[in-house]
Amino acid sequence: DTEVTQTPKHLVMGMTNKKSLKCEQHMGHRAMYWYKQKAKKPPELMFVYSYEKLSINESVPSRFSPECPNSSLLNLHLHALQPEDSALYLCASSLEDVGVLSPQHFGDGTRLSIL
Amino acid sequence: KQEVTQIPAALSVPEGENLVLNCSFTDSAIYNLQWFRQDPGKGLTSLLLIQSSQREQTSGRLNASLDKSSGRSTLYIAASQPGDSATYLCAVRPGTNQAGTALIFGKGTTLSVSS
Repeated sequence: DTEVTQTPKHLVMGMTNKKSLKCEQHMGHRAMYWYKQKAKKPPELMFVYSYEKLSINESVPSRFSPECPNSSLLNLHLHALQPEDSALYLCASSLEDVGVLSPQHFGDGTRLSIL
Repeated sequence: KQEVTQIPAALSVPEGENLVLNCSFTDSAIYNLQWFRQDPGKGLTSLLLIQSSQREQTSGRLNASLDKSSGRSTLYIAASQPGDSATYLCAVRPGTNQAGTALIFGKGTTLSVSS
């Protein structure tokens, strides 16, 4: 069982829809990440939140909008997506105290299909 | 720019064999290296984390080694079982102690263990 929980597990949406992916962890981790993974490819970083502030945005299109309401929650708001955005979206978290880095723990992902 | 390469891309072995998966990285300035397992359509499960100052880590039938100076890591799986069938991903964390630093992944080795 994963300690990083992602909902929903599957999502099918049209290109004009607005939806949100959610990620939750209760391990006290202060860094949270969104990765995108296409079939048979490695995960690619999208965003990093460190201490609830956006620290990295890997030139992701504005149709993806991250939000970190508190240290346990991470959302990814979706709007006007394209068929090529269909992928597995993975959330991860790590402890991250000053000078102490720790393993990243991943959720099971949300399988997103854009019609 | 850091690049991570995994060889072989795919591997098929009979049950009971010992096997080695290889990972190489181009920039030796890493903070740590993490091995993951991914089952089809699922998220990533962390197997082993090796800090840059360490040479190896062991967990059950798994042993991971790290030679940072030569940019190499190996994952050794002893007495393979059909349940070990999955894709194994190697990921490095760039050499900084900045919180929220993301991982750089290899493309993975897909392992199939037949009974």
